[in-house]
Amino acid sequence: NAGVTQTPKFRILKIGQSMTLQCTQDMNHNYMYWYRQDPGMGLKLIYYSVGAGITDKGEVPNGYNVSRSTTEDFPLRLELAAPSQTSVYFCASRDRVGSPLHFGNGTRLTVT
Amino acid sequence: DAKTTQPPSMDCAEGRAANLPCNHSTISGNEYVYWYRQIHSQGPQYIIHGLKNNETNEMASLIITEDRKSSTLILPHATLRDTAVYYCIVRVANAGGTSYGKLTFGQGTILTVHP
Repeated sequence: NAGVTQTPKFRILKIGQSMTLQCTQDMNHNYMYWYRQDPGMGLKLIYYSVGAGITDKGEVPNGYNVSRSTTEDFPLRLELAAPSQTSVYFCASRDRVGSPLHFGNGTRLTVT
Repeated sequence: DAKTTQPPSMDCAEGRAANLPCNHSTISGNEYVYWYRQIHSQGPQYIIHGLKNNETNEMASLIITEDRKSSTLILPHATLRDTAVYYCIVRVANAGGTSYGKLTFGQGTILTVHP
């Protein structure tokens, strides 16, 4: 099993550009999550999903969109990149409520 | 939401036990306590979790008070590689809809293990 795979690892965007951060897991987990981590800070939940076709907002959803058309994939979309979105983005998944999270290695995004 | 409070930082000598506290006074009866750690800028790593009883695995022990309002993560013989940010989190209680899946992190405790 590859676990949780995030692409790309690094990306530099100009203000106003858009991009999609990819996240896929091969563990058949129902629950998937997107977190962001600003330098020196803790993780903030952006969006999460409890199954294919179901998504919900986390703590800091503004400026982002998600979709969950399959169990495996949970892409995060930035439509109009802003410098405040410079961060490291982590995707995670888990099997069920009560089971531990499995994290990807992160995507480091810089918006200039 | 059940929130957690952790000290911002702690030190520990190599080879000694590291005891990391966490307060979660608003925890509900069906909420688990989870511990994760994050080394440098890697993705967080699961350590242990529990509901009521104390738990132990190959990495650590988790002690939960009888009233469940606080817990302690114990690394029995800390090494330099245990230097990391340690997060104590509590699963959000079911408030309807999909919120049962929500899982948020606090600021964590920076544990520094020194020689």
